[in-house]
Amino acid sequence: SQQGEEDPQALSIQEGENATMNCSYKTSINNLQWYRQNSGRGLVHLILIRSNEREKHSGRLRVTLDTSKKSSSLLITASRAADTASYFCATDAGQGGKLIFGQGTELSVKP
Amino acid sequence: DAGITQSPRHKVTETGTPVTLRCHQTENHRYMYWYRQDPGHGLRLIHYSYGVKDTDKGEVSDGYSVSRSKTEDFLLTLESATSSQTSVYFCATQGGPGELFFGEGSRLTVL
Repeated sequence: SQQGEEDPQALSIQEGENATMNCSYKTSINNLQWYRQNSGRGLVHLILIRSNEREKHSGRLRVTLDTSKKSSSLLITASRAADTASYFCATDAGQGGKLIFGQGTELSVKP
Repeated sequence: DAGITQSPRHKVTETGTPVTLRCHQTENHRYMYWYRQDPGHGLRLIHYSYGVKDTDKGEVSDGYSVSRSKTEDFLLTLESATSSQTSVYFCATQGGPGELFFGEGSRLTVL
């Protein structure tokens, strides 16, 4: 069964707007990671947040983690057409480094 | 770019035939993973390896076997392909705790 569930499944916004994606998970974790996948390509790591962290920034990305609610959010600010991709959360529950992925959010940013 | 090469990138085969997908990495990463990606399921872990000749099952391992005789190569074998194994297969590597590096995927169609 999937550890992470993402919401929404699809999101369509205009360039310049912010995009927020949410991820919920079921068990306690060591860290949570976000990945991006362009159509037809492999996944690319965006950011990792550890279980003892609440917020992390990387460029236009902001990730929050609420371990009490077992949820995380990814905010992309000032979105660009090039941000169009699928975004996945993945949880590391400390089982030998294995990551469990959510089903992803498909983001479309229209020029 | 962790220097991950998957081969073949595309393959069409018939039900009942054996298929081997190869993952080759140049980063000397200890951990290697095989995932499959299907619509509505996200990425699901098939098998993983934590060293040469050390492998273990993931959540969807039935019908698949793996081998790792060298650090750089991780092979995924479908002994007798079925239509349910039509999917996109991704190899990933991990040097230590943290992010995964993904290959570009192998698209397999079983007729």
